[in-house]
Amino acid sequence: QSVLTQPPSVSAAPGQKVTISCSGSSSNIGNNYVSWYQQLPGTAPKLLIYDNNKRPSGIPDRFSGSKSGTSATLGITGLQTGDEADYYCGTWDSSLSASLFGGGTKLTVL
Amino acid sequence: QVQLVQSGAEVTKPGASVKVSCTASGYSFTSYYMHWVRQAPGQGLEWMGLINPSGGTTIYAQKFQGRVTMTRDTSTSTVYMELSSLRSEDTAVYFCARGEYSFGLYFDYWGQGTLVTVSS
Repeated sequence: QSVLTQPPSVSAAPGQKVTISCSGSSSNIGNNYVSWYQQLPGTAPKLLIYDNNKRPSGIPDRFSGSKSGTSATLGITGLQTGDEADYYCGTWDSSLSASLFGGGTKLTVL
Repeated sequence: QVQLVQSGAEVTKPGASVKVSCTASGYSFTSYYMHWVRQAPGQGLEWMGLINPSGGTTIYAQKFQGRVTMTRDTSTSTVYMELSSLRSEDTAVYFCARGEYSFGLYFDYWGQGTLVTVSS
């Protein structure tokens, strides 16, 4: 059971938009910045979003991040079949002095 | 370009130890903390701890305290993660990940992963 809660799965049609939520508490998301990672099958995670809403170079603007209170959200627009992957949120927990990941969300592009 | 290259897959027995390496290139090795993250089959990501390659100081997740040791060799830009008293539940892919810090911590580069299988 992860401290950060994500929905196990989401799905949408190609070209549509999807959002993935990540819920935490004041000791983690509420007082720290959130990052998001995409993991394609059999590969290492890849950074998509850092500092709540910033995209590294090379990440298309179809991917966006936001944070409000103790929750964060990853948005993906213009869905493509290549976006099918597992998505993880991450942040630091000040009480645990540890980095945390959400349980992961499997995105299916129908 | 930044690269993190990990050692190969390991098969080991319960009660034994395993040591995984991660060799960095393409950046100043001592300027970034290195983290270890593991992923059991079909499961999510689990943070294990970090090492500061500059001074060697470490922070371990409470779950792994007493069983994990992270070290570094600055002459070869390599960090090591040793896990002892292995049990079947430690079967997982182990990743090293470079920690970057802007306003918050994030992992911008990852190794390819090392599969550790614990089986009698």
